[in-house]
Amino acid sequence: EAQVTQNPRYLITVTGKKLTVTCSQNMNHEYMSWYRQDPGLGLRQIYYSMNVEVTDKGDVPEGYKVSRKEKRNFPLILESPSPNQTSLYFCASSLGDRGYNEQFFGPGTRLTVL
Amino acid sequence: LAKTTQPISMDSYEGQEVNITCSHNNIATNDYITWYQQFPSQGPRFIIQGYKTKVTNEVASLFIPADRKSSTLSLPRVSLSDTAVYYCLLPEGFQKLVFGTGTRLLVSP
Repeated sequence: EAQVTQNPRYLITVTGKKLTVTCSQNMNHEYMSWYRQDPGLGLRQIYYSMNVEVTDKGDVPEGYKVSRKEKRNFPLILESPSPNQTSLYFCASSLGDRGYNEQFFGPGTRLTVL
Repeated sequence: LAKTTQPISMDSYEGQEVNITCSHNNIATNDYITWYQQFPSQGPRFIIQGYKTKVTNEVASLFIPADRKSSTLSLPRVSLSDTAVYYCLLPEGFQKLVFGTGTRLLVSP
């Protein structure tokens, strides 16, 4: 089944404790991205990647890192999480960039930073 | 910087047609406009995509006027299961993507 998977689905952590949210897709998609969703602010792009070893900042990259060492995986790293990073996070993938292709979203990761 | 604006919410009844508009003040000539549907605690799901004029698929139509400063998602004969949040999505710059502010649609019996 074609899908985007994220882990964990739920995470409660404390300020400053490094964490990684994994994202994997099995559709051989070139483009992957991370979004955060907050009440009243909608979905905002954090980082995106056009291909292996090619990543760039979205609208809200501060406090986040990503890597794209393999085409199928695009982990989101929070080196020192803070409470303002409490949010619902979505990973997505698509064949190409610039919105030409349908984006497939993962199920979401609900992160709480205390 | 692309800025997309949508109505915050809309109410409808089963069987009615619903039109949701997204205003975008800065869209490049070749950019596609895409619409997504989102249910609570789920990732957005693709509905329809278009470049100009009108596009129709089995669930919706998308109307894009000649000036391309807006687009309208049309849902024919909505049902209770269409209650969701609807987002337009546009490219920005080279590879960024920007979601609209989202429209919460409530369909009542």
